[in-house]
Amino acid sequence: QQQVKQSPQSLIVQKGGIPIINCAYENTAFDYFPWYQQFPGKGPALLIAIRPDVSEKKEGRFTISFNKSAKQFSLHIMDSQPGDSATYFCAASIDNNNDMRFGAGTRLTVKP
Amino acid sequence: KAGVTQTPRYLIKTRGQQVTLSCSPISGHRSVSWYQQTPGQGLQFLFEYFSETQRNKGNFPGRFSGRQFSNSRSEMNVSTLELGDSALYLCASSLGPGPNEQFFGPGTRLTVL
Repeated sequence: QQQVKQSPQSLIVQKGGIPIINCAYENTAFDYFPWYQQFPGKGPALLIAIRPDVSEKKEGRFTISFNKSAKQFSLHIMDSQPGDSATYFCAASIDNNNDMRFGAGTRLTVKP
Repeated sequence: KAGVTQTPRYLIKTRGQQVTLSCSPISGHRSVSWYQQTPGQGLQFLFEYFSETQRNKGNFPGRFSGRQFSNSRSEMNVSTLELGDSALYLCASSLGPGPNEQFFGPGTRLTVL
């Protein structure tokens, strides 16, 4: 069922670093690409989302870069903090359809 | 505004039993989706309900079913439980079928022995 490939599986950065998580999709009908953050024992929380008509979207320290021709998108976390340590999931869906396809997740650790 | 609530939070069942999980969406949200999260398969879409009607269904066997009530609350049922059904079951609500901004509940951790 997985149609979104996410890498890396895990990532360790120092405080202040800029972790980058990448995702690639197959279905060109996808037109909504969210990123979720999940802490242990909690459900995923929406961080930021993008649609394919823009190449970049920034919200606070989080930026999505989108490359429609390559069918890839990535999450950058600026000035990362230990509190950002969590699992991050990319996802994709077709508009008007809540059948979200998730990547496998990236476990991010930000060391103080 | 209260978030998505799921009950129970933890559940232990044995193989062959059935289980019902409940989800109350955010007030005003009419769409409820269910997902299964496991370490091996990740997050997988089960089904979505909107206005008491199932709109979409993922690739799960018929043992997995759900329903939605007129107040948008939703339940999912798993019959004849198997060991592989052990997972975190997540419910997500949104205003409607689009623009897809889904808010997740904390999940129900189901363990099948």
